[in-house]
Amino acid sequence: DAGVTQSPTHLIKTRGQQVTLRCSPKSGHDTVSWYQQALGQGPQFIFQYYEEEERQRGNFPDRFSGHQFPNYSSELNVNALLLGDSALYLCASSQGTDNEQFFGPGTRLTVL
Amino acid sequence: GQQVMQIPQYQHVQEGEDFTTYCNSSTTLSNIQWYKQRPGGHPVFLIQLVKSGEVKKQKRLTFQFGEAKKNSSLHITATQTTDVGTYFCAGPGSGGYQKVTFGTGTKLQVIP
Repeated sequence: DAGVTQSPTHLIKTRGQQVTLRCSPKSGHDTVSWYQQALGQGPQFIFQYYEEEERQRGNFPDRFSGHQFPNYSSELNVNALLLGDSALYLCASSQGTDNEQFFGPGTRLTVL
Repeated sequence: GQQVMQIPQYQHVQEGEDFTTYCNSSTTLSNIQWYKQRPGGHPVFLIQLVKSGEVKKQKRLTFQFGEAKKNSSLHITATQTTDVGTYFCAGPGSGGYQKVTFGTGTKLQVIP
């Protein structure tokens, strides 16, 4: 049984560009949450998707958007990249919106 | 918004000593989840507590959820070098579709 997978593993972009990160949840899970983790910090909640709808959103600007597909996989899009967007982006899946989350290995985004 | 603080921020212990990290939320939590993140890795789910005053044990780890469901603790007995990492508590606020807020984390270093 594959766990949570994310792609790509690493990504380098320049300021102003746009990026799309992808996540496939653990089998049987219907909820996907996205987190941003800066170096030495805890994960910061970006948003959560359940039944193809954004259910909750953290304190992130509208440049951060997402989508959940019928197969429960998800994408995170970030427009107009800033240097401060450099971080590890983690996807976590769960069965339901309040239960334990299983994290993927993350995508390391570097903005130059 | 909801804030979740953990103390201490860092802890160095000799191998074999005990270790405790405390988690305090500014609001009542629906449940409390604990995660461990090894250096360079992603958060790994340890346990979830749901009931007020609940205590759960996993081998050398003891988890407790406070009576008011606003605080929690993780105690490790006789630490080992494999316990090294950052321990995060996390929890959704009470009510439906509440975002999961991660604590600030406690970084544990075990000296052999």
